[in-house]
Amino acid sequence: GIQVEQSPPDLILQEGANSTLRCNFSDSVNNLQWFHQNPWGQLINLFYIPSGTKQNGRLSATTVATERYSLLYISSSQTTDSGVYFCAVSRGAGGSYIPTFGRGTSLIVHP
Amino acid sequence: GAVVSQHPSWVICKSGTSVKIECRSLDFQATTMFWYRQFPKQSLMLMATSNEGSKATYEQGVEKDKFLINHASLTLSTLTVTSAHPEDSSFYICSAVWGQGFKETQYFGPGTRLLVL
Repeated sequence: GIQVEQSPPDLILQEGANSTLRCNFSDSVNNLQWFHQNPWGQLINLFYIPSGTKQNGRLSATTVATERYSLLYISSSQTTDSGVYFCAVSRGAGGSYIPTFGRGTSLIVHP
Repeated sequence: GAVVSQHPSWVICKSGTSVKIECRSLDFQATTMFWYRQFPKQSLMLMATSNEGSKATYEQGVEKDKFLINHASLTLSTLTVTSAHPEDSSFYICSAVWGQGFKETQYFGPGTRLLVL
C-alpha cells in the first residue's frame, strides 16, 4: 500500500514562531487532507488539498502532487496550535476512498 | 456544518461485557463511515469501513466477530466491542465521509475512550 511519512515527528516552538510540516507519500494520490488533533483527541479538518495551495488564516498548505509531497505552514503560532498534525492520503483506486494516515507531527507551542 | 457526534465519550466496563459505541452524522448523510483505533502517541489505525446497507469491510488483523459494525442508516453507524478484555482498552474514533468522486472529506467524531477492567 501507499506509504506516508511526516516530518518532523516532534516540534517545540515559542509562541509567535513560524513552522513548516511536511508530508511525503510514495505514490500518486487523488485525495489529501490535513488534520489537527487537539490535546483532547478531537480531529479537526484543516485542508482538503490534493494539489495547489490554500490558505486559511495563519495556516496555509501546498501540495506538489508530481513530486509527492505536501507542506503545512503555521505562522505566528499560538498555544492553541498545540497537538498532533496528521496528513491522510488516498489513491482512490477503483473509485474507493480508503485513507492512509501518516504518523503525525506532534507540536507543542510554549507561551 | 459537517458535525459528527460519538457516544459515549467515556466507558469503563468489566471484562467480558459488551460495549456499543454510536457514531452519528448530524447535518449530512454519509454513505461511508470509518472506525479507527488509536493508541497513545500513535497514529490512527483503520479498523473497518462501514457502508450503509451492506456489511462492513474489515482491515487485515481486525476480528469481525469481536468488533461488530452496523451501518443502520445514512446517519448512524455503531461499533460493538463484544466480550471486551483489557487489551481492547483504547481510544476509538469514527469518521463520516462527505462528498464523492475523489473529493471525499472525512469529518471525525470526538472519540470514545474505553477502559476494560
